[in-house]
Amino acid sequence: KQEVTQIPAALSVPEGENLVLNCSFTDSAIYNLQWFRQDPGKGLTSLLLIQSSQREQTSGRLNASLDKSSGRSTLYIAASQPGDSATYLCVPQGGSEKLVFGKGTKLTVNP
Amino acid sequence: DGGITQSPKYLFRKEGQNVTLSCEQNLNHDAMYWYRQDPGQGLRLIYYSQIVNDFQKGDIAEGYSVSREKKESFPLTVTSAQKNPTAFYLCASSIRGLAGGYQETQYFGPGTRLLVL
Repeated sequence: KQEVTQIPAALSVPEGENLVLNCSFTDSAIYNLQWFRQDPGKGLTSLLLIQSSQREQTSGRLNASLDKSSGRSTLYIAASQPGDSATYLCVPQGGSEKLVFGKGTKLTVNP
Repeated sequence: DGGITQSPKYLFRKEGQNVTLSCEQNLNHDAMYWYRQDPGQGLRLIYYSQIVNDFQKGDIAEGYSVSREKKESFPLTVTSAQKNPTAFYLCASSIRGLAGGYQETQYFGPGTRLLVL
């Protein structure tokens, strides 16, 4: 059964810092991995989708990497801004398995 | 504008009452999902539907019911049998379902917060 762990659970940084969010998952038989962002009281917004054959995916200041064999993914945020404050969720996706969501990392970027 | 809409934004339920949460999508997606989110917890799957007139139970289906009569709509009913319904409910959709062999991106609605009076 897939289990997802995200470390740290919460992170507070000053504006402008580069930061890394970590995700580990127990079942490496995945098709892809998706990173979502959730603002308080809102739905989830997809940030990046990495195919299992890829090692990295970039969108603006965000870069996600995937090491499928070791069951790890990282989300790198460059030059963080207060608008980046949200909870970030990592979701590994298998072919026929229901999605498993971790508890996420709650990021606060202070001006 | 394509997307997923959920209504209402807030819903209050009285003891013993059934309430229905609406979810509509105009993305022409085959698959739709309902998740429950509790504070400090990950999302948990309640029900999902991969095609019209078909749906499957998720991990926490007890006390909930759904229907999928139209491709665009996947309403969730929280019945009186659900003893702890207070939570944030999220609806999502994807082009294909979980058994499609290739999981597409899931798109999420803005959510409905259900509170018990």
